[in-house]
Amino acid sequence: NAGVTQTPKFQVLKTGQSMTLQCAQDMNHEYMSWYRQDPGMGLRLIHYSVGAGITDQGEVPNGYNVSRSTTEDFPLRLLSAAPSQTSVYFCASRPRPGTSDGYTFGSGTRLTVV
Amino acid sequence: RKEVEQDPGPFNVPEGATVAFNCTYSNSASQSFFWYRQDCRKEPKLLMSVYSSGNEDGRFTAQLNRASQYISLLIRDSKLSDSATYLCVVNRGNTPLVFGKGTRLSVIA
Repeated sequence: NAGVTQTPKFQVLKTGQSMTLQCAQDMNHEYMSWYRQDPGMGLRLIHYSVGAGITDQGEVPNGYNVSRSTTEDFPLRLLSAAPSQTSVYFCASRPRPGTSDGYTFGSGTRLTVV
Repeated sequence: RKEVEQDPGPFNVPEGATVAFNCTYSNSASQSFFWYRQDCRKEPKLLMSVYSSGNEDGRFTAQLNRASQYISLLIRDSKLSDSATYLCVVNRGNTPLVFGKGTRLSVIA
């Protein structure tokens, strides 16, 4: 049981490049979320999904897209990378909305945009 | 006003000390509550859930006061390995969990 797997662990992009951060979970969790974490800012929600085919915006969605074609996968796409998107990105999942269960987090992707 | 507020610290305490963190939340519809621990450059990990009756896990005790809308975490007999950032987390049901910015704890030998 791998839990939540994020790839890559580290990435350097040039301004304007696009890329996809991968997130996969093998716990059959319905609920998945993407957060970014910057010094002094705490965890900020980018996008989330309550099940396959359903996504919604969080607090800081601009510049990012998501899709949820399967229960297992929830990729995050950076459309045109900007230095302001330099951050640590965490993917998290939990069994289903409305439960009292907390999140399980992936180990994060450290992204630098130059 | 932020939905979940915590004192950022840092709390610098000697080994063996007892330390307490508080967290306040603004949405009275909040249903469940958690404390997470995050080590430097690592992902947050669930430390414990917080129940209305209060709950204990070894040296850690969590309390919830719904009337005053605050949550507390008490750590007894602090260890060097307890040094981390502690995140207060609130669940409003069918919405994403809401995280506080965290309280940093340093346990000093």
